[in-house]
Amino acid sequence: AQSVTQLGSHLSVSEGALVLLRCNYSSSVPPYLFWYVQYPNQGLQLLLKYTTGATLVKGINGFEAEFKKSETSFHLTKPSAHMSDAAEYFCAVSDKDGGATNKLIFGTGTLLAIQP
Amino acid sequence: DTEVTQTPKHLVMGMTNKKSLKCEQHMGHRAMYWYKQKAKKPPELMFVYSYEKLSINESVPSRFSPECPNSSLLNLHLHALQPEDSALYLCASSQDPPGQDLNTIYFGEGSWLTVV
Repeated sequence: AQSVTQLGSHLSVSEGALVLLRCNYSSSVPPYLFWYVQYPNQGLQLLLKYTTGATLVKGINGFEAEFKKSETSFHLTKPSAHMSDAAEYFCAVSDKDGGATNKLIFGTGTLLAIQP
Repeated sequence: DTEVTQTPKHLVMGMTNKKSLKCEQHMGHRAMYWYKQKAKKPPELMFVYSYEKLSINESVPSRFSPECPNSSLLNLHLHALQPEDSALYLCASSQDPPGQDLNTIYFGEGSWLTVV
């Protein structure tokens, strides 16, 4: 069975500092990988995704993530944090078999706080 | 901006009430989902519809009754709910089969439900 682990339920960084949110997955085959962001009192917004091809994926709002098969990781980074980045971040995986019967498995989330 | 629209944004209902949550998407997606999210937790899958047919029910209590009148609409009928059912209810959609969008699930802003 697939699973996703996000290290650290809370992360606090200073404005302008590097943001690094960690995500490791467990899957017998490389899955599709996603990062979603949830701002306070809002729904989930897709930040970026990895399906095939280039392992460094660029997303919205200056975020990027790198798929490392050897480390079964898909860490999310942003070089310089902005106050508007304060939100909950979820890593998720799904099987490559696809279709509506395929489930999106979420990590437990990391709440990112930005200090001025 | 999300292309999955949910109404109402907020709903307060008594335990004997009957109410409905509504969801609409115009992306041509043929898979639609209901997720439930409690505070500080990741979303939990409730139901999946594929081509207007229920394909997954994650053992959800019968007081929650989904309906998919057509490929663009998804309803969640609520009856005799309990206070512990208070949560954010997220609607989502995706291509089915995945096509070029490869398993990407798009979420609405959610409906905040409070049961009193």
